[in-house]
Amino acid sequence: AQSVTQLDSQVPVFEEAPVELRCNYSSSVSVYLFWYVQYPNQGLQLLLKYLSGSTLVESINGFEAEFNKSQTSFHLRKPSVHISDTAEYFCAVKGSSYKLIFGSGTRLLVRP
Amino acid sequence: DAEITQSPRHKITETGRQVTLACHQTWNHNNMFWYRQDLGHGLRLIHYSYGVQDTNKGEVSDGYSVSRSNTEDLPLTLESAASSQTSVYFCASSGDIRNTGELFFGEGSRLTVL
Repeated sequence: AQSVTQLDSQVPVFEEAPVELRCNYSSSVSVYLFWYVQYPNQGLQLLLKYLSGSTLVESINGFEAEFNKSQTSFHLRKPSVHISDTAEYFCAVKGSSYKLIFGSGTRLLVRP
Repeated sequence: DAEITQSPRHKITETGRQVTLACHQTWNHNNMFWYRQDLGHGLRLIHYSYGVQDTNKGEVSDGYSVSRSNTEDLPLTLESAASSQTSVYFCASSGDIRNTGELFFGEGSRLTVL
C-alpha cells in the first residue's frame, strides 16, 4: 500500500527566512504528487502538483517542489516566507489506485 | 461560482445517536470523498463514490455509511456515534480523479461526541 511520510510535525521559522518541508512517499509505480495547504478553520487548497514533465514545479505564491524519483521525495521549499504562509501543509500521492493518500501534515509557523 | 458546502459546520452530539453530515457540490463532479482529520494522522479516507449509486469503503470506514442518490450530494452517516468519532470531517470532490487526483475541499464539519 502506498504511504506518505512527512517527517516534521511542526516547523518554526522567522519571517523572510527560507524553509523546506519534507515529504517522502513509498511507491514502485508512477505517481502523481501534490502539496495542499490548509489555513486556519478552512478546508484544504491545492498548492502545487507534479504529474509529469519537469521535476520542478512552482506555485503562484513562491513555493516550489522538486520530484526526486531516486529518493522518492517531493520536498516543498520557499526561499523567503511571510507571516501569511503560516498554515498546515499536506503532501499527498496518487498512484495506480484512484485514491489520494495524504501525509500527516506539517504545521509551518512563521514568526516575525 | 461552483463550490462545495458542508453542513453543519459544528455539531455536538451524544454517544449512540445517529448523525448525518451533509455535503453538496455544484461542480457537477462525479467523484466525491469523505475524510476525517485528526492530530498526528493527517487526513484519512472514510468513504468515496465515483458516481450515482456507487460507494466504496476507505481505510477507516467502520461505523460510517454513505449513499449517492444524485451527483451533487454525498451525505455521511454515523449510525451510532462514538467518542472515537470526534473529529473534523472534510468532504471533497473531483472531476478528473482518474487522471490527476486533484481534489476540491469543503470547509469542514467539526463533530464532538460526548
